[in-house]
Amino acid sequence: GNSVTQMEGPVTLSEEAFLTINCTYTATGYPSLFWYVQYPGEGLQLLLKATKADDKGSNKGFEATYRKETTSFHLEKGSVQVSDSAVYFCAADQGAQKLVFGQGTRLTINP
Amino acid sequence: DTEVTQTPKHLVMGMTNKKSLKCEQHMGHRAMYWYKQKAKKPPELMFVYSYEKLSINESVPSRFSPECPNSSLLNLHLHALQPEDSALYLCASSHSEGLTPYEQYFGPGTRLTVT
Repeated sequence: GNSVTQMEGPVTLSEEAFLTINCTYTATGYPSLFWYVQYPGEGLQLLLKATKADDKGSNKGFEATYRKETTSFHLEKGSVQVSDSAVYFCAADQGAQKLVFGQGTRLTINP
Repeated sequence: DTEVTQTPKHLVMGMTNKKSLKCEQHMGHRAMYWYKQKAKKPPELMFVYSYEKLSINESVPSRFSPECPNSSLLNLHLHALQPEDSALYLCASSHSEGLTPYEQYFGPGTRLTVT
């Protein structure tokens, strides 16, 4: 099956810093890719998605580009805010209605 | 409307109790999911319903019993749980396989504590 590897956290940044959270996948074929965010005490929210190579997903200032050649889907944001503090999960569609998740990266933004 | 609702938000139950978790969506999705999430871990798939029929059971113990009364509702019946079943239980929904896009939309979860 497919697998997803995320950079290990926790990640701590200052407000307005540049953010990158790395995500790579292994898969047969080209799965749809997703970033989900989980704020403290809440469920997962879909942050952005990409369904084919070279697609760029974007939302709320976050971006990720589906890179077939490097099998990556890194999450980036140019200027983070305290409110971005959360756990971020990279996920890949595994087919048969299953998602495979990375282990999650806890992000803390200090004012 | 991309909302999935779950009730209750919190639940404390003893090992001999019977309780149910409820999930509802009105996005017209025909696939619904139950996940279990332990602290600092990603969600683990438990069950998938597609067109109100159980399509995936990830070898979940029988003390968890899912039910899909109609296309908008999903229940998880709990009986004789163990303390290690304490976790956040997440419901999700999506379009069915074959219809794209089929990203999953999650509810806020039910925080379950088994005493």
